[in-house]
Amino acid sequence: GQQVMQIPQYQHVQEGEDFTTYCNSSTTLSNIQWYKQRPGGHPVFLIQLVKSGEVKKQKRLTFQFGEAKKNSSLHITATQTTDVGTYFCAGQDDMRFGAGTRLTVKP
Amino acid sequence: SQTIHQWPATLVQPVGSPLSLECTVEGTSNPNLYWYRQAAGRGLQLLFYSVGIGQISSEVPQNLSASRPQDRQFILSSKKLLLSDSGFYLCAWSGSFNYGYTFGSGTRLTVV
Repeated sequence: GQQVMQIPQYQHVQEGEDFTTYCNSSTTLSNIQWYKQRPGGHPVFLIQLVKSGEVKKQKRLTFQFGEAKKNSSLHITATQTTDVGTYFCAGQDDMRFGAGTRLTVKP
Repeated sequence: SQTIHQWPATLVQPVGSPLSLECTVEGTSNPNLYWYRQAAGRGLQLLFYSVGIGQISSEVPQNLSASRPQDRQFILSSKKLLLSDSGFYLCAWSGSFNYGYTFGSGTRLTVV
């Protein structure tokens, strides 16, 4: 069945540096979603991408969906301490989430 | 607006004791409902999902069961807890008019 792989598992950055997490699927996805889970909290929906090659932005966050609809990325420009948390991708086709990328930011 | 309620927030249970976690959704009808488990520092594991009353699909063979007695109520149960059942249990819902999954605040279960 569909499997969503996410890398890296951990990322530690200095405040102000950029951050990117990648999500790869073994099969074509109808859509991909991104979530953020703050430490001690629950995952919160950020965005959904549906179209091949789609790019969406939310302030300092840029989300991309690959042309083949098998991969996606989340890029954060100039990280802030408020960006700390674990970022998950999910393919709604089979309700499975990637393992997540845990971001820590050093002030 | 739609809201999801999950309780209790934390739970400490002895090995061999029963478990019942409840999740309810308000403000929507016929939602898809899900139970996920998250081990400490790990990803989300789908346990059960339901597309309607009495309809339960199990993803992982385990010591747990789920039931959906009402349209907006989803219950996670166990007859006898194991140490390995410890974790963060998250209920979520999705619908035809919203994007993605909306999660409850979760239950942190520690089996001792």
